[in-house]
Amino acid sequence: DTAVSQTPKYLVTQMGNDKSIKCEQNLGHDTMYWYKQDSKKFLKIMFSYNNKELIINETVPNRFSPKSPDKAHLNLHINSLELGDSAVYFCASSVKRGSTEAFFGQGTRLTVV
Amino acid sequence: KNQVEQSPQSLIILEGKNCTLQCNYTVSPFSNLRWYKQDTGRGPVSLTIMTFSENTKSNGRYTATLDADTKQSSLHITASQLSDSASYICVVSEGSQGNLIFGKGTKLSVKP
Repeated sequence: DTAVSQTPKYLVTQMGNDKSIKCEQNLGHDTMYWYKQDSKKFLKIMFSYNNKELIINETVPNRFSPKSPDKAHLNLHINSLELGDSAVYFCASSVKRGSTEAFFGQGTRLTVV
Repeated sequence: KNQVEQSPQSLIILEGKNCTLQCNYTVSPFSNLRWYKQDTGRGPVSLTIMTFSENTKSNGRYTATLDADTKQSSLHITASQLSDSASYICVVSEGSQGNLIFGKGTKLSVKP
């Protein structure tokens, strides 16, 4: 009964490749997020979607493109991967926009070599 | 600028001891403050929420306090257990857009 699930859990890839991370939530929430946690363990928001519509797009390279086919899914596609993209990426969801409790997935550890 | 600062960065205590983690914020307008626990290799999980009018709230061995005047919060853990070893993240919700401002966390290690 995983509430927010991400795949894959680990991803090792070479510079220049394109990769995707998938996220699904079965909580019936309206809002989903992507966060990046760097080596210093600092969580930083990347994107926020509300009912499939983009509502927050922080300063993130346009190599990162979120896709929300429906409100239960928010996938993250990354083009032309760079070494600095190595981090743990967390998907999260909340009941609605402005709701402060976010439910997080287990994270995807991306390593670019 | 909206910021959340946590201290200490890391903390090592012996099993059974108490500890207190600190969170100072400059987020405005303030909506509420949550403490999250992040176990190694997992996503953060909410422990407790503090709204503007609340001073103290307990969740088992965890007690959170909020001083909205000084913009400070603390998380007190009593009778620590090995399973308390984790990062504790203070998250403040900004009132106008509901944006979440994350602190960098305190890494707590409980040793036997």
